Amino acid sequence: EDQVTQSPEALRLQEGESSSLNCSYTVSGLRGLFWYRQDPGKGPEFLFTLYSAGEEKEKERLKATLTKKESFLHITAPKPEDSATYLCAVTTLDTGRRALTFGSGTRLQVQP
Amino acid sequence: DVKVTQSSRYLVKRTGEKVFLECVQDMDHENMFWYRQDPGLGLRLIYFSYDVKMKEKGDIPEGYSVSREKKERFSLILESASTNQTSMYLCASSPGGTNEKLFFGSGTQLSVL
Repeated sequence: EDQVTQSPEALRLQEGESSSLNCSYTVSGLRGLFWYRQDPGKGPEFLFTLYSAGEEKEKERLKATLTKKESFLHITAPKPEDSATYLCAVTTLDTGRRALTFGSGTRLQVQP
Repeated sequence: DVKVTQSSRYLVKRTGEKVFLECVQDMDHENMFWYRQDPGLGLRLIYFSYDVKMKEKGDIPEGYSVSREKKERFSLILESASTNQTSMYLCASSPGGTNEKLFFGSGTQLSVL
């Protein structure tokens, strides 16, 4: 059974204090790993897709990296507007399932 | 701008009622999905559809059914609502093929009393 585990569950940072969120996965064959951001009362919004170990993607203060067992979302010098829940999800090589399996998310709060 | 619209933002129903949650996308996407989101459990897949009139069970289909009569519309049906179906329901769509990026609606917070 595919499993996605995110840590920590919650993270509180001061503005400018860099940190990383972790997403570890156990799947039969990884096709892609996705990061989403979710603001309160809204649906998740796409951030990145990573397909192979060693791949990196960047967007503003966020950088996502991928290894064979886990992914990290690095947040550099965060601002209060980066406060949100960050979700990790995977798709697998099982072509019968074209759906993402999600982790339970990391709630990030950035204080001014 | 791409859009996935869910018909209700908040819904309150009684135990045993039949509940319809509607979702419409305007992107001509092949795939549509229904997830529910509960604190500590993340998003769990209920049903998905990759074509009109086609449906596939997700991880937690019990107590739910779906309907996709038109490409742009995907309905989730709770045949007889129960209190353990109180949750946030999220609809999503994706283009299909090898593009698995999901576009989500804003969600429906359903309370079953």
